[in-house]
Amino acid sequence: KAGVTQTPRYLIKTRGQQVTLSCSPISGHRSVSWYQQTPGQGLQFLFEYFSETQRNKGNFPGRFSGRQFSNSRSEMNVSTLELGDSALYLCASSLAGSPDTQYFGPGTRLTVL
Amino acid sequence: EDQVTQSPEALRLQEGESSSLNCSYTVSGLRGLFWYRQDPGKGPEFLFTLYSAGEEKEKERLKATLTKKESFLHITAPKPEDSATYLCAVRLNFGNEKLTFGTGTRLTIIP
Repeated sequence: KAGVTQTPRYLIKTRGQQVTLSCSPISGHRSVSWYQQTPGQGLQFLFEYFSETQRNKGNFPGRFSGRQFSNSRSEMNVSTLELGDSALYLCASSLAGSPDTQYFGPGTRLTVL
Repeated sequence: EDQVTQSPEALRLQEGESSSLNCSYTVSGLRGLFWYRQDPGKGPEFLFTLYSAGEEKEKERLKATLTKKESFLHITAPKPEDSATYLCAVRLNFGNEKLTFGTGTRLTIIP
């Protein structure tokens, strides 16, 4: 079974721009979560989507948003990029509906100049 | 406030030298504790899930245990390929996939 895929793998943007990252979950998984990983803060939860609905949200500004499509694929968007948004953005999927395990993708490395 | 603390921050071992990594948590209502391994530049790789105190899981040279306040990841006779950052995470509620992570233990196994 194919794992979680994320595109693009690397991205370089400048301050003020916006960016969209994509995540395709493991086949059959309906929950997709997004995390930001930085050397200083570690892994921080951004939000979770289940059946196209945002089910939970972390403590990030409104510049960070996401959505999920009917095929469970998810996108996250960051508007008005800041230097501090440089990070590894990780997507994780799970079956959900019962206690289950999240499986992570390889991440998108975003660099903001 | 819910917290997950991992120790030590970094650990260097000789090949074959066994040791343990610690993950302590102060949360109300644990609904799962997870161990992941992360190699540089890659996403975390799932290792174990533990749900209740006293539970143990094993995989090759790794064994995870859980008590009411902490979890240990025991590494027996490690090899250089076990070098990675080991992350611990907790989930607090069913019907909610949010994981709260510790900052990890960076493990280096010296040949």
